[in-house]
Amino acid sequence: QKEVEQDPGPLSVPEGAIVSLNCTYSNSAFQYFMWYRQYSRKGPELLMYTYSSGNKEDGRFTAQVDKSSKYISLFIRDSQPSDSATYLCAMSEGSTLGRLYFGRGTQLTVWP
Amino acid sequence: DTAVSQTPKYLVTQMGNDKSIKCEQNLGHDTMYWYKQDSKKFLKIMFSYNNKELIINETVPNRFSPKSPDKAHLNLHINSLELGDSAVYFCASSLQGSAEAFFGQGTRLTVV
Repeated sequence: QKEVEQDPGPLSVPEGAIVSLNCTYSNSAFQYFMWYRQYSRKGPELLMYTYSSGNKEDGRFTAQVDKSSKYISLFIRDSQPSDSATYLCAMSEGSTLGRLYFGRGTQLTVWP
Repeated sequence: DTAVSQTPKYLVTQMGNDKSIKCEQNLGHDTMYWYKQDSKKFLKIMFSYNNKELIINETVPNRFSPKSPDKAHLNLHINSLELGDSAVYFCASSLQGSAEAFFGQGTRLTVV
């Protein structure tokens, strides 16, 4: 499945760094864009949810969607060791909302 | 109180056996899903049920049979297990019309 591309990393950054994660996609029908965080041996946890293009901010996290470029990003400011996890992007068409198409996930380590 | 719970958390079984995984959600959602996460962390949808009705059935071997006795439960039965079935299986739920899915902790299935 190549509809959603995501660099698996791993990505290792020092505490306090700004982290940039991104995904590209090919299906122009995608309208809903999500970021999930998955800790080791746990289920994915919904982090950010956006509809169509634009930015959304929640605390240290900012999600950006550029539908014209088919590119989405997640920025983490002031990264903490507790942010160490795998970050999965996910997307959905408007017609079958529940069918999520996932990227492979980027493994992030924030070291103190 | 766990929102989406799966049992068992770990399952080790021999090839050829039949096994079931149970899922329950207490979020009041009407749509439930089964996703499979392979060894490379890639998550892919298998099935989706809305109000006990099957609405998504991906290209999954017919050895896999989901059953939804009510809106809050979605079980997965697997016949004649094969080595390639080893993966982590996630149950998820959402409200109909929403792309925000909430995941369970996963069931790590190992077929030996």
